[in-house]
Order: sequence, then structure tokens, then C-alpha cells
Amino acid sequence: DAGVIQSPRHEVTEMGQEVTLRCKPISGHDYLFWYRQTMMRGLELLIYFNNNVPIDDSGMPEDRFSAKMPNASFSTLKIQPSEPRDSAVYFCASSFGQRGNTIYFGEGSWLTVV
Amino acid sequence: QKEVEQDPGPLSVPEGAIVSLNCTYSNSAFQYFMWYRQYSRKGPELLMYTYSSGNKEDGRFTAQVDKSSKYISLFIRDSQPSDSATYLCASGGSQGNLIFGKGTKLSVKP
Repeated sequence: DAGVIQSPRHEVTEMGQEVTLRCKPISGHDYLFWYRQTMMRGLELLIYFNNNVPIDDSGMPEDRFSAKMPNASFSTLKIQPSEPRDSAVYFCASSFGQRGNTIYFGEGSWLTVV
Repeated sequence: QKEVEQDPGPLSVPEGAIVSLNCTYSNSAFQYFMWYRQYSRKGPELLMYTYSSGNKEDGRFTAQVDKSSKYISLFIRDSQPSDSATYLCASGGSQGNLIFGKGTKLSVKP
């Protein structure tokens, strides 16, 4: 079975540019999560969806970040405008059910903003 | 205080050593506890899952939860170079989401 698929794997962009990260969750999973990982803060939950509906976006750092899930097989995380402090690895993950169920992670999108 | 605390290491051990990785958590409502393994430039993958207190063993890996002290441990016996990775503990309860520790980087030297 295909796992969680993320694109792009690597992105280098200039400050002020728009960045769009994409995710295809595992088929049949009803929860989708966006995480950000940095050395300083570790793995942080940004937002999660249940059945395509955003449930908790309290982890989104500021209004420059937005996420959508137009259907069960696709989600985007957008940063506009990007800043150097947004440089991190962004993981998309999905699960079937939530409480205590295994979360499956994609391989991450490595973002560098210069 | 972060809800899940983990020593970032790095931890370096010789091949064959017993490795002990530890976390503490602060929320007494947490009921399930997980260990994820993350290889370099990869996403985390579930390694061990424990519900409530007690031990769980899977091959060379043993996960231990002590709810009285809010302490989570992962033991690796006969460690191998292929075990070199970052290990993240995670905890959660019936409310809220899974909270991850920052991870401990382990290096097993041949």
C-alpha cells in the first residue's frame, strides 16, 4: 500500500514568496495532520482535519499559514509570505480514527527560506 | 513545562549494548504511550505502542510505562548499527492530541 505522499520533498525559496506543500493521505484514513519539526521545538502539530473538516488549527503559528483539505485524498499547507524562520521540515500524517490510533507520517517536505 | 519531556542526547553506544531511552510526561490523563523511530531524512514510524501502565515487549524492544511516576522508557537489547536513529516518545489521552517529545538521537557504533 502507498503511504502518505508529500510533495515537494525539498523546497528552497526566497523570503516573501508563497510556498505550497501538498499531501495525499493513506486511502481510507479519516484524520489528516500537518506537523512542523525543528531542532529547537521538535515535532509540533499545526492543524488537523477530520473527514476533510479542520478541527483544530491552534498550532498554526500565524495568519501567514493556511491549510485546506478539498477532498479526502488531498491537502495543502500554504505559507504566504514565507520568512526565514519558517525553515523546517513539514510532515503530513494520517490515521484511521484518532484517540490512540497509529499516525502514519509522510517523508516530509524540507523547506528552506533564504 | 512541556507536556512530554525527553533528553535530546545524543547518545552513543557500542554495538551489542543495552540502550535505555526515557521520557517524562506531566498530564495524568494520558492513557496511551508510543515510541516512534525516525531515520535521518525520513518521517517518524511507529515502533511501540502501550496503553496504560505496564510493559510491552517486541523482539529486542521493550516499552515500559510507570503512570505513578509519569515515566516512559524504551529499552533496546543487543543494539545494532541499524538502530541508529532518533527516537521520539509520544503520549495522549481521551481528550486532545498526541504530544511528542523532542526526540533522542541514538548512534550505535559497530
